[in-house]
Amino acid sequence: QQPVQSPQAVILREGEDAVINCSSSKALYSVHWYRQKHGEAPVFLMILLKGGEQKGHEKISASFNEKKQQSSLYLTASQLSYSGTYFCGTPLRGSQGNLIFGKGTKLSVKP
Amino acid sequence: KAGVTQTPRYLIKTRGQQVTLSCSPISGHRSVSWYQQTPGQGLQFLFEYFSETQRNKGNFPGRFSGRQFSNSRSEMNVSTLELGDSALYLCASARSGRETEAFFGQGTRLTVV
Repeated sequence: QQPVQSPQAVILREGEDAVINCSSSKALYSVHWYRQKHGEAPVFLMILLKGGEQKGHEKISASFNEKKQQSSLYLTASQLSYSGTYFCGTPLRGSQGNLIFGKGTKLSVKP
Repeated sequence: KAGVTQTPRYLIKTRGQQVTLSCSPISGHRSVSWYQQTPGQGLQFLFEYFSETQRNKGNFPGRFSGRQFSNSRSEMNVSTLELGDSALYLCASARSGRETEAFFGQGTRLTVV
């Protein structure tokens, strides 16, 4: 039931773009994205819901394809501050807040 | 407002011992989830508590247990520690529902020697 993320790691130069994918073998109600910087706790980025609604705090775009059970996170014009490990998570049935996370995608942005 | 607080931040234990970790969620949050994080394995779900009831449990042995108190504070316990239990244990709190943002604590770094 764990979502599968790809790629596992990506290295970018400042200003370049990246796409991180998340797919699941089961129907998705929502997809949640978090970023964890080295030595810090994961921080919420956004939630994508069925029907196209999005909730987020950052200027990051993402898509959610319910039929394909996939989500993609788009990082454009990357900055050094984008470096970290990105996790996608999906809620379990009956969950009131917990998520099952993918193994993460490590993003490194170089100057 | 205060964030999620986990104590202690660091622990060193010997194989065979047991350990209790504590998590104080954000005020008003009733959902608390625990995760184990190890290099290469990402965030592995341990269990979720909501209003003192365990809602979901991950694929971990029975040595891992937890509970939630009426004030939403949560504890997790690991008995008969093994070397492989060395990890960062993260707690996350949320208001309720599957559309809510989860807030993570800084974690407890457990080292088993």
